[in-house]
Amino acid sequence: EAGVVQSPRYKIIEKKQPVAFWCNPISGHNTLYWYRQNLGQGPELLIRYENEEAVDDSQLPKDRFSAERLKGVDSTLKIQPAELGDSAVYLCASSLDGGGSNRGTDTQYFGPGTRLTVL
Amino acid sequence: KQEVTQIPAALSVPEGENLVLNCSFTDSAIYNLQWFRQDPGKGLTSLLLIQSSQREQTSGRLNASLDKSSGRSTLYIAASQPGDSATYLCAVRGSSASKIIFGSGTRLSIRP
Repeated sequence: EAGVVQSPRYKIIEKKQPVAFWCNPISGHNTLYWYRQNLGQGPELLIRYENEEAVDDSQLPKDRFSAERLKGVDSTLKIQPAELGDSAVYLCASSLDGGGSNRGTDTQYFGPGTRLTVL
Repeated sequence: KQEVTQIPAALSVPEGENLVLNCSFTDSAIYNLQWFRQDPGKGLTSLLLIQSSQREQTSGRLNASLDKSSGRSTLYIAASQPGDSATYLCAVRGSSASKIIFGSGTRLSIRP
């Protein structure tokens, strides 16, 4: 079975340009997470979806970041316009049921990430 | 606000040694704690998940323990191998907001 798929793997853009990342979670996984990981740091949660509903987006910089998961399957994270400080690895993860009664045992599976460089 | 700390930031040991990685957290009200491995340029791979009601989990040469009252978890790696070289991260899932907080990781290097 395929794992979490992300594209592109690498992206280099100039500041003020828009950029989008795509994630396809493991089939059957209801919960989808977007994280940002800066060099030498652990991932920081940006947004969590339960099916198509964004249930935790408190860390998402809403002035420039947006995300969608229209059919409760794959998801897109967008930055517009990008700033120098947005350079990081953007990770997508999925789990079976991150918000349900089994969330104490819910394991996250991560994709390989998209490495964004803003020049 | 939950804070997760991993010390040391980097560790180098010779092959064959047993070693312990540490993770501490400030809020003991958690659902679970998870240990991950991250290889350079790759995503995270889940190693072990300990529920709040458990004290340890084992998988092969790995053993993770959890002491909620003291806000600590350890990952024990037995008979280390060069292939164990990676960054190890712990993540805590809080019970109040279901928010998942990661530590900054320990970069482990096993010398042949």
